Amino acid sequence: EAQVTQNPRYLITVTGKKLTVTCSQNMNHEYMSWYRQDPGLGLRQIYYSMNVEVTDKGDVPEGYKVSRKEKRNFPLILESPSPNQTSLYFCASIPVEGTEAFFGQGTRLTVV
Amino acid sequence: AQRVTQPEKLLSVFKGAPVELKCNYSYSGSPELFWYVQYSRQRLQLLLRHISRESIKGFTADLNKGETSFHLKKPFAQEEDSAMYYCALSRAGAQKLVFGQGTRLTINP
Repeated sequence: EAQVTQNPRYLITVTGKKLTVTCSQNMNHEYMSWYRQDPGLGLRQIYYSMNVEVTDKGDVPEGYKVSRKEKRNFPLILESPSPNQTSLYFCASIPVEGTEAFFGQGTRLTVV
Repeated sequence: AQRVTQPEKLLSVFKGAPVELKCNYSYSGSPELFWYVQYSRQRLQLLLRHISRESIKGFTADLNKGETSFHLKKPFAQEEDSAMYYCALSRAGAQKLVFGQGTRLTINP
């Protein structure tokens, strides 16, 4: 089944403890992207990647890192999480420019 | 700057009534617009896009460049339409989607 898989689905952590949220797609898509979803703000793009080793900042990149060493994986790294990064995170993959984005199930992160 | 505005955070209508979810955008170029839907406990998924000009689940949306709007409409709402709806604009391909704040639609029986 074609899909985007994120792990973990839920995570509670403490301020400053490094964490990684994984994202994997099995559709051989070139483009991948990370969003955070906050009430009243909709989805905001954190980082995106156009191919292996090619990444760029989205609208709210501060406090996040990404890497794209393989086409199928696009992990989101929080080196030193803070409470304002408590949010619902979505990974998406896109086959070609201008077409449909396929989303993962979401990761609910709480930083205390 | 590119921006998508959905003025209604919440919208509640009765089953069988018409539904219109508003979306306005600001973009200097030629936009590509989408509606995404998120049903309870499910992932975000594409509902429709203006390029295809199709009707999905009875929903349609017309791009009005003069009014810079892309409102989503359905003539007769069904209970299963209850969900969160996001309007999105593509700035340079779908890898750079800009989303509105979302509208939570509730269909009352």
